Amino acid sequence: IAGITQAPTSQILAAGRRMTLRCTQDMRHNAMYWYRQDLGLGLRLIHYSNTAGTTGKGEVPDGYSVSRANTDDFPLTLASAVPSQTSVYFCASSAGTSGPDTQYFGPGTRLTVL
Amino acid sequence: GQSLEQPSEVTAVEGAIVQINCTYQTSGFYGLSWYQQHDGGAPTFLSYNALDGLEETGRFSSFLSRSDSYGYLLLQELQMKDSASYFCAVRDVQNNAGNMLTFGGGTRLMVKP
Repeated sequence: IAGITQAPTSQILAAGRRMTLRCTQDMRHNAMYWYRQDLGLGLRLIHYSNTAGTTGKGEVPDGYSVSRANTDDFPLTLASAVPSQTSVYFCASSAGTSGPDTQYFGPGTRLTVL
Repeated sequence: GQSLEQPSEVTAVEGAIVQINCTYQTSGFYGLSWYQQHDGGAPTFLSYNALDGLEETGRFSSFLSRSDSYGYLLLQELQMKDSASYFCAVRDVQNNAGNMLTFGGGTRLMVKP
């Protein structure tokens, strides 16, 4: 069981380019999330999805879009990358239940926008 | 909205006990979680408190006081491998918002020999 996979592991991107970060989970979780992590700022939610076919905006959604065509995949797209989007991006999933509803995180994608 | 405060850094020696505090402000509280993240790694779940009191899991315990909007993570018998960042997080269950988490800025724990 792989859990959550993310691709690519790292990427250097020229400003203005379009980029899609991929995220796939095999736990049949209902909910999925995208976070960015910058030094000293913890994890900030970009977008989330409660279930396939639905998405919502998190704390820092500007410049990013997501889709949830099926349960397993939750890609994050940067339409026109800017240097301030340099960060480590984590995808996560959870069952979407009550209680702790533990989030399981992927290994992350380190993105540098020049 | 939600906001969480925790110390940025804590240092302790191997074998000691350390407490990492977290205070939060939230419009709707559904529980306080703690996650651990080693350098270069992904966050992993440690514990969750929905009700007041202490939850113990091995060397780690987590405490919550809802009336004080305060919680802490207690790490006992510290080991070098406990050197990591620790994040508190609160759930924000709003209409159609799922089980979103708002994270604190993290506490970097350094364990010294």
